[in-house]
Amino acid sequence: EAGVTQSPRYAVLQEGQAVSFWCDPISGHDTLYWYQQPRDQGPQLLVYFRDEAVIDNSQLPSDRFSAVRPKGTNSTLKIQSAKQGDTATYLCASSFGTIYAEQFFGPGTRLTVL
Amino acid sequence: GDSVTQTEGLVTLTEGLPVMLNCTYQSTYSPFLFWYVQHLNEAPKLLLKSFTDNKRPEHQGFHATLHKSSSSFHLQKSSAQLSDSALYYCALSEGDAGAKLTFGGGTRLTVRP
Repeated sequence: EAGVTQSPRYAVLQEGQAVSFWCDPISGHDTLYWYQQPRDQGPQLLVYFRDEAVIDNSQLPSDRFSAVRPKGTNSTLKIQSAKQGDTATYLCASSFGTIYAEQFFGPGTRLTVL
Repeated sequence: GDSVTQTEGLVTLTEGLPVMLNCTYQSTYSPFLFWYVQHLNEAPKLLLKSFTDNKRPEHQGFHATLHKSSSSFHLQKSSAQLSDSALYYCALSEGDAGAKLTFGGGTRLTVRP
């Protein structure tokens, strides 16, 4: 069974540029999560979906970050006008259900903003 | 709010010695606790999760016991192996609040021959 896939694996931007990250969860998983993992820190939840609905986006910087999951399968996370502070690995995870459910992580996208 | 503390950022020990990685937490509700392991250039993977009935979870020789009285979920193994070298993250999920995982800062374990 294929795991969670993400693309691109790496991205290097200048400040002010935009970038999109794409995530394909495990087939049948209804819940999808985006985490930001700064270097040498633990992952921090940005947003998560159940099917196509946003359940919690309270930690998503809404002025520059957006996330969608239009058909309840794949998802895209976009950063408009990136800042150096956005430098981090962006992890996508998926699970079936939520309460006590194991989250399966993708390999991540390592973003560097110069 | 919820928080998870892992006091050791780096742990280095010799193969065959016991491992103990500390994890304490603060939570408003009665949370579930997890240990995730992340090997170099790989995604985090679930290692252990707490049970609701106070059973001790075990996997790959690792075990952890949830102590609600001390808000702790320390990870232990009796004998370290070279392949155990990795980043270990403790995380909690408030069952009532659903799926949100709050991670600790992580502990990098290095096992030397």
